[in-house]
Amino acid sequence: GENVEQHPSTLSVQEGDSAVIKCTYSDSASNYFPWYKQELGKRPQLIIDIRSNVGEKKDQRIAVTLNKTAKHFSLHITETQPEDSAVYFCAGSNDYKLSFGAGTTVTVRA
Amino acid sequence: GAGVSQSPSNKVTEKGKDVELRCDPISGHTALYWYRQRLGQGLEFLIYFQGNSAPDKSGLPSDRFSAERTGESVSTLTIQRTQQEDSAVYLCASSPGATGDGYTFGSGTRLTVV
Repeated sequence: GENVEQHPSTLSVQEGDSAVIKCTYSDSASNYFPWYKQELGKRPQLIIDIRSNVGEKKDQRIAVTLNKTAKHFSLHITETQPEDSAVYFCAGSNDYKLSFGAGTTVTVRA
Repeated sequence: GAGVSQSPSNKVTEKGKDVELRCDPISGHTALYWYRQRLGQGLEFLIYFQGNSAPDKSGLPSDRFSAERTGESVSTLTIQRTQQEDSAVYLCASSPGATGDGYTFGSGTRLTVV
């Protein structure tokens, strides 16, 4: 089955700086890669996703890049704000099941 | 409904007791999933339903865990003879089809076994 690894486990950034989270996956058949944001005590919410036929996708301050050859994908958050503080999870799927990374706790320092 | 509903939101139970967790998916979503999230950790897949059948139960940790689903509606996850290691947040998600995208999560049930 799919195995997704995520780094770093914690990330502290100054407000206004960029944050980058990286994930690798094992199953070359995986074709869908979403990112979820989970605030403390809340449900995970989809923030952006990318499919294997696309190399990059952007939505305002967040972007995701995918390198199929290297089997890794990354989340980029620019101009970070305090409300970006949360746990972020990457995931990969080639069918019905999402396999999640272990999560990155992002703290934005004011 | 408008979103995925889970109940109860919190459950404290004594070790050895049985518990039932409920998930009410978004209307029309044929796929339903249960995940477990231990404190400070990622989401661990438990079981996948397509309609009322469960083609993938590979994540259920032991035979103390079981789940069922009524048609394309409510699902219940049952844990028998609870153990302290069962303490976690149990998250349910539903999606329109079996493609991995369109997952919407519920708010979860926080289970504490004392």
